[in-house]
Amino acid sequence: DTGVSQDPRHKITKRGQNVTFRCDPISEHNRLYWYRQTLGQGPEFLTYFQNEAQLEKSRLLSDRFSAERPKGSFSTLEIQRTEQGDSAMYLCASSSNTGDEKLFFGSGTQLSVL
Amino acid sequence: AQSVTQLGSHVSVSEGALVLLRCNYSSSVPPYLFWYVQYPNQGLQLLLKYTSAATLVKGINGFEAEFKKSETSFHLTKPSAHMSDAAEYFCAVSEISHGNKLVFGAGTILRVKS
Repeated sequence: DTGVSQDPRHKITKRGQNVTFRCDPISEHNRLYWYRQTLGQGPEFLTYFQNEAQLEKSRLLSDRFSAERPKGSFSTLEIQRTEQGDSAMYLCASSSNTGDEKLFFGSGTQLSVL
Repeated sequence: AQSVTQLGSHVSVSEGALVLLRCNYSSSVPPYLFWYVQYPNQGLQLLLKYTSAATLVKGINGFEAEFKKSETSFHLTKPSAHMSDAAEYFCAVSEISHGNKLVFGAGTILRVKS
């Protein structure tokens, strides 16, 4: 078990560019979550999947954000036309649905929009 | 709606002293409660969780927390601080009906002085 992995660890982009992040959950976990964390704040929920189905999206997730989990394994989070306000740490987490409520987090992708 | 309030964005203790990090929650249903720790440039690691069993929960690294329904609190304690405890600590609440989605507090940075 290698844990939740995220790629890249850091991304610097110019305003207006599109970026895509990848998350590989723990292999037997069927739930996958995306969170965003800004300096001095706790992580804020963005969206979550159960297998390939996206079951909930936060109002924080504007139309420029899209997440997919096509085969119920890895997930991608894309941000189109990035803005400086998108600069944050994007965290991915996974969990099982066997009654264990624990979420396991990856190390995150730090996005800087210049 | 669920919410979490962590009193004190920064707490400083001497090595060997008691650690007390405060967390109050609001939830319309019996909550599941968690404490996570985040070291610099790392993801969140679960310290402990409360899921309606024993009200005093023991976690890793000598931490424990007590669920007090009457006070809607879930404060984190450790009898004797160690330098390695310096990190940011997050309290979180979830509802099982929402796919284990976590709502986090703003975090408390713990500093341990030698």
